[in-house]
Amino acid sequence: AQSVTQLGSHVSVSEGALVLLRCNYSSSVPPYLFWYVQYPNQGLQLLLKYTSAATLVKGINGFEAEFKKSETSFHLTKPSAHMSDAAEYFCAVSDTDSGGYQKVTFGTGTKLQVIP
Amino acid sequence: EAGVAQSPRYKIIEKRQSVAFWCNPISGHATLYWYQQILGQGPKLLIQFQNNGVVDDSQLPKDRFSAERLKGVDSTLKIQPAKLEDSAVYLCASSLKAGTGGRNTIYFGEGSWLTVV
Repeated sequence: AQSVTQLGSHVSVSEGALVLLRCNYSSSVPPYLFWYVQYPNQGLQLLLKYTSAATLVKGINGFEAEFKKSETSFHLTKPSAHMSDAAEYFCAVSDTDSGGYQKVTFGTGTKLQVIP
Repeated sequence: EAGVAQSPRYKIIEKRQSVAFWCNPISGHATLYWYQQILGQGPKLLIQFQNNGVVDDSQLPKDRFSAERLKGVDSTLKIQPAKLEDSAVYLCASSLKAGTGGRNTIYFGEGSWLTVV
C-alpha cells in the first residue's frame, strides 16, 4: 500500500526566507508524486508533479521539488517566500490498482504561514 | 477550458436531515472522484467513477452516503441522514482516463462546505 508522510503540520517562515516543506513516500512501485496547494475556502490546485522524466521538477509560483529515491523523499522548496504563499500544501502519491485505475493518496497537509 | 463545477458551495443542515451535492467534471474527463476533507486533514477518497461505473467505493459509508453518475458526466453525492461528524468539505475532482499508469493530474472543484448542527 502506498502512503505519504508530511513532516510538520505547521511551518512558519519570514517573507523572503527559504520555504522547505517535507514529504516522504512509501510505495511498492516507482511512484508518481504530486504537490497541491489549497488556499482558504478553495479546492486543491496542482503545483507540480513528478512522472519520472526528471528528478528536479519545477512548478508554478516559483516552487520546485526534487525526487530522491534513496531517501524516498519529494520535498517542496521555494527560495524566497512571498506573503501570497500562505496556504496549505498537500503531497500525494499515485499509482494504479490491479484494474489499471489510478489510486491517489494524500498526506495530511502542511499549513504554511508567512510572517512579514 | 471550464474547470470542475460544484454546488452548492455552502450548506448548513441539522443532524438527521439530508443533503445532496452536485458536480460537473471537466469536459472529456472519464474519471470522477468524490473526496471528503475534514478540517485539518488531507482529502480522503469516498468514491471513484470511471465513466458511469464505480471502481472504488471502499471508504464510502454506504449506510448513509450514496453517489451516482448516471450518464457518465455529472454526479451527485447524497448524505441521508447526516451526522455531526459529516461536517467537512466535499471535493469533487476529475481526471482524463485510466491506463496511463497513475500519472494523470487530478483537477479539483472548489468544494462544497457542509456544516451539520
